[in-house]
Parts: sequence; structure tokens; C-alpha cells
Amino acid sequence: KQEVTQIPAALSVPEGENLVLNCSFTDSAIYNLQWFRQDPGKGLTSLLLIQSSQREQTSGRLNASLDKSSGRSTLYIAASQPGDSATYLCARFNFGNEKLTFGTGTRLTIIP
Amino acid sequence: DTAVSQTPKYLVTQMGNDKSIKCEQNLGHDTMYWYKQDSKKFLKIMFSYNNKELIINETVPNRFSPKSPDKAHLNLHINSLELGDSAVYFCASSHPQTGETRGTGELFFGEGSRLTVL
Repeated sequence: KQEVTQIPAALSVPEGENLVLNCSFTDSAIYNLQWFRQDPGKGLTSLLLIQSSQREQTSGRLNASLDKSSGRSTLYIAASQPGDSATYLCARFNFGNEKLTFGTGTRLTIIP
Repeated sequence: DTAVSQTPKYLVTQMGNDKSIKCEQNLGHDTMYWYKQDSKKFLKIMFSYNNKELIINETVPNRFSPKSPDKAHLNLHINSLELGDSAVYFCASSHPQTGETRGTGELFFGEGSRLTVL
């Protein structure tokens, strides 16, 4: 059973458009929510962390929000650029078992 | 100034061999992790150590043995390598949000070690 789900699995959009990536989870335990990007053949870069007491975080063109009542998080990317092309992963840190559980990822391609 | 560093970055070896991957973090974090990313790019936790003590052992074969000589290092030793062990192994560290040494709970990852077993 997949605890963290990301939809869509792949997304292609023209440069300059705004876009939203989705992440949903099945467990309502207390948690942090972290978004990462992974470039091909590279490690994970942390983008945004929403702590258990927070609802959203912003960094530059990125905004991540968390709705605990529905078990969903979204990553909003404004004015997309070709350099945003990567796989985006959301991960939920469960304080009960101290595990970071990853979603399946969304592979984003920005078309110049 | 690398925060979480892993060596080697690439490792190609024969089935049945024993190999080690090393990880070091200079962030002053208390907790370190090993994650495995399989061919489908799915990341799954293997182990977690907090201040040199094993916290999580996620049903990994006992051919995999983590060792933490101090809280800045977490090494992974693999015995009798099998074809299915081929993957990218990521080390990570964090400062737990709860407990005596409070931090944000944010995890920082190394660049990964790509293991290929022939």
C-alpha cells in the first residue's frame, strides 16, 4: 500500500506557465512535509519544509502548502523555466516512527 | 563546503563480494539515514541512527550492516553482494524537531552512491 502518492507521474508544460504538483497521504499522524527535486543522476535537493505547525512555505518562485484535514500538499511553481525540469518528490516525516516516507515523484519537463 | 558527502560515488563489483559505502556530515546533526533508490526511482529508508544508536532497521537483509563510529559518520557495509543490490544508496542527516537538540527536522541528502553488481 502506497502511503504517499504523487499525481501526475509526469508533466510537460511550456516555459513561462505556472503549474501545480500534487501530493497526498493516507495517514493522519503528526508529521513534517518536505519537497525535494532530483536531477537525473544526482542527489536530492531540499526545496521546502513545512513543519507540523505550519500551513505553507515560500521560496522564490516556489510555494508549498499543506492541508492536513484532507491529507494533501501542493507545490506551486510560478513562471516556469527550463531549469525547473527535474523529478519532484514529496516526503512525509512521521514523528511516531521517525521515518521519512517518499512519494513516487513527478517528472517535470519545461518546454522552451 | 559539502554538507553530506558519500564515497564512493560509483561502485562496480562482482556478485558475492563485500563492499562498503561511507558517509560523513559536517552539519552537526544527530540523526543519519541510509536510503535505497531502486531502478524505478522509488526511495525507501533502510536504516536510521540517532547519536550512534540504531533507531530504524527497515527489514533489510542482514547482509547489510550499518556502522556509526560517531554521530558525524554512518557507513554501510554489504556482504555477499547480489544482483538485486544494484541501486543508488543515499545517505542523509537531520536535526530532529523533537528532543533535547531541537532543529527543524529537515533532511539533507548526499549525492548518492551508485552500486552496480555484475
